[in-house]
Amino acid sequence: GAGVSQSPSNKVTEKGKDVELRCDPISGHTALYWYRQSLGQGLEFLIYFQGNSAPDKSGLPSDRFSAERTGGSVSTLTIQRTQQEDSAVYLCASSYPAVRYGYTFGSGTRLTVV
Amino acid sequence: DAKTTQPPSMDCAEGRAANLPCNHSTISGNEYVYWYRQIHSQGPQYIIHGLKNNETNEMASLIITEDRKSSTLILPHATLRDTAVYYCIVRNTNAGKSTFGDGTTLTVKP
Repeated sequence: GAGVSQSPSNKVTEKGKDVELRCDPISGHTALYWYRQSLGQGLEFLIYFQGNSAPDKSGLPSDRFSAERTGGSVSTLTIQRTQQEDSAVYLCASSYPAVRYGYTFGSGTRLTVV
Repeated sequence: DAKTTQPPSMDCAEGRAANLPCNHSTISGNEYVYWYRQIHSQGPQYIIHGLKNNETNEMASLIITEDRKSSTLILPHATLRDTAVYYCIVRNTNAGKSTFGDGTTLTVKP
C-alpha cells in the first residue's frame, strides 16, 4: 500500500480484556517496529522485526505483551489482561533494512483501558 | 544507540527560519542522524537524515558539525503548520530500534 496502515484507529476496552492491534507495513519494507506513546510523552520502543531474524523484544514492558509478524508482512501486537497503564497510542513503523532509509510511521491505534 | 539531547521547547515567528539544535556527543562513525516531527494526534513524519555532510530537501536543511557531535535542523521559512514536536534520533547500521527522546516542541507564532 501507499503507507503504513494500522487498525483499529481507536480501541476502548475493559480492564482485564485482551486486545489485538494490527499493522500493515509498506510493501517491500522488511523491517517493522512497534512503539508506544503515552499521553504527553515521547516514543517508547517495544519490538522490532527484521526479515526472518529473531525479533528484538527488549522493549516489551511485561509478559502480557507479545507480537508476531506473519509471512514477513502484517504484524499483530497483542496485550493480554489489559491494565489502565496500557492506555496509550501504539505506533507501527516500517522501513527498508538499511540504516540509510528512514521509518514510515502509521497513524497509530489509540488504546483506552477503562 | 547514541543518546540525543534537545531543548524542550522553542518559539519561532512565522516566515522566519527555525533552527532546532540537537546534541549527540556519543555518536559513532556508522550512525546516521535522523529528524522526525509529530503534529498533534498523528504518527511521526520523516523530515531528513544525514551521516556527515549537510543535507537539504524540500522540507528542511540539516547541518552536521564536523565532529558530528551536534546537528541543527533548519526550517527556512516557518509556517503555522510547522508547529509540532521535533525529534532528533541516531540510527546505527543494523537499523534496529532507535531511542526517541522527548523532542523539541516548536511553536510558530503569527
